[in-house]
Amino acid sequence: RKEVEQDPGPFNVPEGATVAFNCTYSNSASQSFFWYRQDCRKEPKLLMSVYSSGNEDGRFTAQLNRASQYISLLIRDSKLSDSATYLCVALRIAAGNKLTFGGGTRVLVKP
Amino acid sequence: NAGVTQTPKFQVLKTGQSMTLQCAQDMNHNSMYWYRQDPGMGLRLIYYSASEGTTDKGEVPNGYNVSRLNKREFSLRLESAAPSQTSVYFCASRGAGTEAFFGQGTRLTVV
Repeated sequence: RKEVEQDPGPFNVPEGATVAFNCTYSNSASQSFFWYRQDCRKEPKLLMSVYSSGNEDGRFTAQLNRASQYISLLIRDSKLSDSATYLCVALRIAAGNKLTFGGGTRVLVKP
Repeated sequence: NAGVTQTPKFQVLKTGQSMTLQCAQDMNHNSMYWYRQDPGMGLRLIYYSASEGTTDKGEVPNGYNVSRLNKREFSLRLESAAPSQTSVYFCASRGAGTEAFFGQGTRLTVV
């Protein structure tokens, strides 16, 4: 079983709509989580960190559910520029700061 | 602000040839990582290093070796390249409590 798993999509989203997707992780020792964005196989860039209490950054909301071992990302009022692949990342400090990526969820926002 | 620098950006190798991918960061980060990304897939961890002098295997270490030369540099070596190693390779670095920053990637083709 992969350490971090995501629905590959694509999620086809009308412009202005809301889209949400999850990521599950298998190792309960994972301590920190992040969402990264990747465009056309360029280098990934941090979208947001995920905090235990949940956090929001503009139109983006991230949630962490440790009991069920998943994190989620919600995008409100989707823009064409939100079309990208969203990568879920888990950090295990006790494993030498191991950073494990999920396979990515592709989002396509259409007019 | 160079951040993470990878060289070369593109490389074509013949099967059986060897090469070293170079990575250097100027952010004084302790942790460094090597990933590969195949078409339609997420980033898979090859090797990582929590600090100078330490390295750990990731998900797909076979066929690769690494050297953490000093705090700044983390190189990835392919001793005998195979077509299955055709991929985009990303190097990343991370400091304590910070996000991971990526290089622009090395696009490697093995023929």
